[in-house]
Amino acid sequence: DVKVTQSSRYLVKRTGEKVFLECVQDMDHENMFWYRQDPGLGLRLIYFSYDVKMKEKGDIPEGYSVSREKKERFSLILESASTNQTSMYLCASSLPRGPGELFFGEGSRLTVL
Amino acid sequence: QKEVEQNSGPLSVPEGAIASLNCTYSDRGSQSFFWYRQYSGKSPELIMSIYSNGDKEDGRFTAQLNKASQYVSLLIRDSQPSDSATYLCAFRGGTALIFGKGTTLSVSS
Repeated sequence: DVKVTQSSRYLVKRTGEKVFLECVQDMDHENMFWYRQDPGLGLRLIYFSYDVKMKEKGDIPEGYSVSREKKERFSLILESASTNQTSMYLCASSLPRGPGELFFGEGSRLTVL
Repeated sequence: QKEVEQNSGPLSVPEGAIASLNCTYSDRGSQSFFWYRQYSGKSPELIMSIYSNGDKEDGRFTAQLNKASQYVSLLIRDSQPSDSATYLCAFRGGTALIFGKGTTLSVSS
């Protein structure tokens, strides 16, 4: 089975703090993604990566950055957390070829106070 | 702008009935379509994928695709209370998937 693991299920941070969300997948997938999910807004793509050290902006990259130093690990960074970044963050991975179905991690619920 | 439209619901059906969930998408060129189920507080899990026009059946689930109308649907036969969840429609827009906002299904016993 594909396993996508997000390091923290629940986080509470203060405004202005730097926040790291880590994601690791064990299926040797090239593609990895970060989405955020908010009530009424659905799933929105923040960033994705199709290879080590490669990254592409999604629909809502402002206020976020990412890092992919190893194939299995994709990190989302909030340089200076703000209250409007309180959300559920979902990491996913997929193969580069084929239909493109995503395999999701369990999610990280971030609260910024 | 690539988009997916879904009725947010809630859709309420009695146990044993057929639940019908619908979705329209904007990208005529897309070839891959997916239905994900998401229980409250959990992450989405893939339940159906469909790539060609027509029907695809898997157990109690049937996905239907009509590319000319840019329409995808999911039928759940013999609905069970355990089917109560939010159902997300998605299509492949480039490398990533584009998701609808989801339809909440409630199955009453």
